[in-house]
Amino acid sequence: LAKTTQPISMDSYEGQEVNITCSHNNIATNDYITWYQQFPSQGPRFIIQGYKTKVTNEVASLFIPADRKSSTLSLPRVSLSDTAVYYCLVGLLTGGGNKLTFGTGTQLKVEL
Amino acid sequence: DAGVTQSPTHLIKTRGQQVTLRCSPKSGHDTVSWYQQALGQGPQFIFQYYEEEERQRGNFPDRFSGHQFPNYSSELNVNALWLGDSALYLCASSLFSGLAGGLREQFFGPGTRLTVL
Repeated sequence: LAKTTQPISMDSYEGQEVNITCSHNNIATNDYITWYQQFPSQGPRFIIQGYKTKVTNEVASLFIPADRKSSTLSLPRVSLSDTAVYYCLVGLLTGGGNKLTFGTGTQLKVEL
Repeated sequence: DAGVTQSPTHLIKTRGQQVTLRCSPKSGHDTVSWYQQALGQGPQFIFQYYEEEERQRGNFPDRFSGHQFPNYSSELNVNALWLGDSALYLCASSLFSGLAGGLREQFFGPGTRLTVL
């Protein structure tokens, strides 16, 4: 399984855009990139998933360069409620079932 | 539509005891996965159940066992508890993707906080 590297923590202020970058140098051809969010004492929550280029949904954007060795989760105009741990995961597209491999994640702290 | 539910919310045990945790998947889901999350760490995959059978297993000893029932709910059993088993135990449900392929979105429950004294 591809190993991921993320910053341990990031600080931001309300209204700013936050970009969290994840490195996954040994990503395989069949791997997708997925981001989860976790609040204290809750289970992780799916944010966004992509394979290449750019993916956008109602809460975030995911930018993936052509070599796919890194990815960037972009959160527009963060609020206090976005304070959470964000996990970058890389997993198999086929045959991998539903097993998720989490790293230690990035603790995002949003202040006023 | 209820999401993933887990019981109990909190549990305190002593070393050597056995514990059973329960999970009901999100409506329509047929696959249940269990994760262990130690304080300050990301969740670690324990195992996954589909069609009442264990389909995948992470790097956990056989003190950790599970079961899935015909209604897709699941139990996690841990025998001979030791201090290092203290953690948040998360259940996640999804649709099985082993045959069709694809990394399916998983829905997590709130977890059971297990403390071993």
